[in-house]
Amino acid sequence: TQLLEQSPQFLSIQEGENLTVYCNSSSVFSSLQWYRQEPGEGPVLLVTVVTGGEVKKLKRLTFQFGDARKDSSLHITAAQPGDTGLYLCAGYNNAGNMLTFGGGTRLMVKP
Amino acid sequence: DVKVTQSSRYLVKRTGEKVFLECVQDMDHENMFWYRQDPGLGLRLIYFSYDVKMKEKGDIPEGYSVSREKKERFSLILESASTNQTSMYLCASSSGREGTDTQYFGPGTRLTVL
Repeated sequence: TQLLEQSPQFLSIQEGENLTVYCNSSSVFSSLQWYRQEPGEGPVLLVTVVTGGEVKKLKRLTFQFGDARKDSSLHITAAQPGDTGLYLCAGYNNAGNMLTFGGGTRLMVKP
Repeated sequence: DVKVTQSSRYLVKRTGEKVFLECVQDMDHENMFWYRQDPGLGLRLIYFSYDVKMKEKGDIPEGYSVSREKKERFSLILESASTNQTSMYLCASSSGREGTDTQYFGPGTRLTVL
C-alpha cells in the first residue's frame, strides 16, 4: 500500500501570513491531487499535477510536484480566513485507478 | 453541475445491526468509490466499482460489502455494525481511468455505532 504523509497536521495562523503544507511519500505516483474540504461537505478538487517538477498556480495558491513524483507542496501566500479548511493531498497509483490520500492538514486562518 | 448525494447525513445504529449507506450520482460516471474518513488518517478506500455489478476491494474492505445494481447507485453495507465502524463515510464518483480524473464527493454520512 502506498502511503502519503502530510505535515503539519494542524496550522493556525493570522490573516496575511504565508504557509506551506507538505505531502511526502517513498512511493512514486502517476499524478498528485490536492483537495480542500470544508465542514459538512465532501472534498473538492483544487489541482492535479502530473509531471515531475511541475508548478501550478491558483490565485494565491502554488502547487509543486517533486521531480521524482514522490512528494508535493502547497504554498499559500497572504492567507485569508476564507482559506480555512482541511487540505488533503492524494496520489494516483501507476495503474491510474486508485487514489491514496494523505492524513490532511487542518488550516485555520484568524482575522 | 455534478452532484453526488448520500442517503443520510447522520445515522445512529446499534452494534450488530445491518446498515445500508446509499450513494447516487447524476453525472453518468462509470466509477464510484466508498471511503471512510477518520481524524489524522485522511480518507481510506473501502471499495470501488468501475461498472454495474462490478466491485473491487480497496485498502480496508473487512467488515463491509457493496452493491452496484445500477450505474448511478452504489451502496455500502455493514453486515453487522461494530463500534470501530463509527466514522464519516464519503462516496465519490469519477468519469474515467486516466489517472488524473477528478473525484466528485458527496457530503458524507456520519455514522455512530453504539
